[in-house]
Amino acid sequence: AQSVTQPDIHITVSEGASLELRCNYSYGATPYLFWYVQSPGQGLQLLLKYFSGDTLVQGIKGFEAEFKRSQSSFNLRKPSVHWSDAAEYFCAVGAYSSASKIIFGSGTRLSIRP
Amino acid sequence: GAGVSQSPSNKVTEKGKDVELRCDPISGHTALYWYRQSLGQGLEFLIYFQGNSAPDKSGLPSDRFSAERTGGSVSTLTIQRTQQEDSAVYLCASSFRGRGPNSNQPQHFGDGTRLSIL
Repeated sequence: AQSVTQPDIHITVSEGASLELRCNYSYGATPYLFWYVQSPGQGLQLLLKYFSGDTLVQGIKGFEAEFKRSQSSFNLRKPSVHWSDAAEYFCAVGAYSSASKIIFGSGTRLSIRP
Repeated sequence: GAGVSQSPSNKVTEKGKDVELRCDPISGHTALYWYRQSLGQGLEFLIYFQGNSAPDKSGLPSDRFSAERTGGSVSTLTIQRTQQEDSAVYLCASSFRGRGPNSNQPQHFGDGTRLSIL
């Protein structure tokens, strides 16, 4: 069964600084990978997804993520964060089979230092 | 509507009462998921419906929890004899799940129902 680990519970970065949020997955075959963002009191919004092809995927709001099969990772990056990026970020993994569910990591809370 | 709709947005009830939470998925989406998110926690998978297949109920925490999806569209999550530990935000998501490559489409989430058990 697939699983997702987000090792950082809370990260604080300064506005304008670069960001990298870590995500490690466990799955025996090629996974489908997602990053979602959740602002307070809101549902989750999809930032980007990886299905196949180019391992560097671009998303909304200036985010990107890189799929590294050898490291079982799908880290989220942004070159320069804005105060509005403060939120909870979730990595998720799904399997090819339509019968299987999508599993979420426990999330990383991002705070922005002015 | 254009998105996933959940109702009510907030529900306060007394311990021991039954509650029903409703989810209207995006039209045409074949998959529907329920998650529970406790304060400051990640998403806990509850149940997954896909088309006409038997639902994956592996995440339901006890037999007090049940869900149904009528006509492949609207879903209701029912919690019987509520307990204080059931207090959480209950999120619903839907997606299109077909067959073949790229069949695992991203989920679209509703804003959730915040359930408070007194």
